[in-house]
Formats: sequence, C-alpha cells, structure tokens
Amino acid sequence: QQQVKQSPQSLIVQKGGISIINCAYENTAFDYFPWYQQFPGKGPALLIAIRPDVSEKKEGRFTISFNKSAKQFSLHIMDSQPGDSATYFCAASLPNTGNQFYFGTGTSLTVIP
Amino acid sequence: DTEVTQTPKHLVMGMTNKKSLKCEQHMGHRAMYWYKQKAKKPPELMFVYSYEKLSINESVPSRFSPECPNSSLLNLHLHALQPEDSALYLCASSQHRGGTEAFFGQGTRLTVV
Repeated sequence: QQQVKQSPQSLIVQKGGISIINCAYENTAFDYFPWYQQFPGKGPALLIAIRPDVSEKKEGRFTISFNKSAKQFSLHIMDSQPGDSATYFCAASLPNTGNQFYFGTGTSLTVIP
Repeated sequence: DTEVTQTPKHLVMGMTNKKSLKCEQHMGHRAMYWYKQKAKKPPELMFVYSYEKLSINESVPSRFSPECPNSSLLNLHLHALQPEDSALYLCASSQHRGGTEAFFGQGTRLTVV
C-alpha cells in the first residue's frame, strides 16, 4: 500500500519555466514532509521540508505548498534550470518514529535549455 | 562535516560470497538507517538503528545482517544473496528525534552474479 502518492512520474520543462510536482497522503498522523532531490549515482539530498502547521514554505526558487484539509502538498520550482534535472521524491514521516520515511514514487524532471 | 560515507561504491559478488557494506558519519547522529533502492524506484527502508540498537527491521531476509558497532559506524553483512538483491544500498543518519533532516550517503551499487 502506497502511503504517499506522487505525480507526475516524469516531467519535461523548458528552461525558465515552472516545474510542479504533486503528492497526496492518507495518514493524517504524518507530521513532517520533506522533498528529496536525487541525481544519478548519488544518494538523495534534502531540498526543502514543511510541517502541517504551515501552508507554504519558500527557499530560493523552491516552494512547498501544503493543503492539510486536502491532504496534499506540492513542490514548485521557479525559473527551472537544466541543473535541476534530477529525480524528486516527496516523503512523509510519523511523529516519534525518528525519520522513518514513507517515500513517494518519484518524479523524473528534465529541464531542456 | 555533514557527510555520510559509504564503502565500497561498487560491489560485485557471487551468490555464495560473504561481503560487508560500511557506513560512517561524524555528525553525532544517533539514528542510522539502511535503505535499498532499485532503479527508478524510491528508497525502501530496511533497518533502523536507534542509539546503536536495532529498532526497526522491515521484514528483511536473514541473508542481510546489520550491525552497529558504535555511534558512528553501521555495517550491512551480506551472505548468500540472490540476483534480485542487486540494487543501490543507501545508508542514512539523522538526529534521533523525528522531523529532522536525514543525510544520505552516495550508496553502494551492488551487483549479485
């Protein structure tokens, strides 16, 4: 059973455009929602994270929008660059479980020049 | 130092071999994790160590044997693996409390022949 659903599976965006990746979850006990970026041959690296008491968080070109009532959250990458081409995973974790993550299925982003 | 170091980077082993994967961090993290990642799939949690004690074993076959000799080191001992065990094995560490960044190593690319 997939605890966190992610879409789209792949995404192609022009340089300078906006990339949007969506995730949905069922378990309302989740209390931490990170986004990880993974380049080929590398381990995932934290990009940005949010808690459910905040509706939006922005760090540079990356923004998480969080809709608690809809149990959805999304990653927006503004002014997308070819260097952003990577696989992005959303994730969620429960309180008091350390950082045992339930990962989404991943989105392969390609930014074309 | 925010690095998680994994060795070796690549490993090819036969089905009758015994080998070990190693992971090291010096961030003072007391939670360490092993994940398995297949191509184009999200990481799957295998084991969680909390304060050097195994706290979670996600029904992993006994041919995978984790060990945490001290707070900085994590090993994964491999024996009698199957070709379907070929994958990227990722180590991660974090502070013990939830909702904090998990740092991933670059992984060991394992091929079982």
